[in-house]
Amino acid sequence: DADVTQTPRNRITKTGKRIMLECSQTKGHDRMYWYRQDPGLGLRLIYYSFDVKDINKGEISDGYSVSRQAQAKFSLSLESAIPNQTALYFCATSDYGKSGGAYNEQFFGPGTRLTVL
Amino acid sequence: RKEVEQDPGPFNVPEGATVAFNCTYSNSASQSFFWYRQDCRKEPKLLMSVYSSGNEDGRFTAQLNRASQYISLLIRDSKLSDSATYLCVVWGGGTSYGKLTFGQGTILTVHP
Repeated sequence: DADVTQTPRNRITKTGKRIMLECSQTKGHDRMYWYRQDPGLGLRLIYYSFDVKDINKGEISDGYSVSRQAQAKFSLSLESAIPNQTALYFCATSDYGKSGGAYNEQFFGPGTRLTVL
Repeated sequence: RKEVEQDPGPFNVPEGATVAFNCTYSNSASQSFFWYRQDCRKEPKLLMSVYSSGNEDGRFTAQLNRASQYISLLIRDSKLSDSATYLCVVWGGGTSYGKLTFGQGTILTVHP
């Protein structure tokens, strides 16, 4: 089973609809992140959470909100979707170097492809 | 100025070629540096970390120059399977503490 999962994997919705993207992880990591990816712009950070009680805005948080329901779950909501929120959304986790591997490495989910019409 | 800048390419090279990617970053307080690889429509995955002393992993060599705020990735003896987008990534210090900042990626296509 994948360590970081995202649901749904694909979603088409209409302008003005409320959308929730969900992320779950079994890696036991404290830190979780939401990014969006647009062609030619790379990945941009929307929100991040260092633990359940700590949530921070990233560089492009306007129009988005998040909820950290548990250490393993971090949801991203679009309260009223608009077409320029059409993008590929990634959730990621990291453990700040507690375990082996690259210090500060982030592990990504498979992504959610969101289209807002 | 973008925090992390890369030449987007695309780079089209034949199998067996050597190809180099460059990246610059603007935050002098940045603490860790990485190259990630992203296959089409897939999630990014860590390729290698980048250390000041330079490091090598098989056909891949990464270099970091802190004074110039410059990172490079060299791929020798390119394989078809190396075709992907390569992302230069910086883990921030200062106001960017705890966050990764990604370059826009460099597209590599290796052809027979």
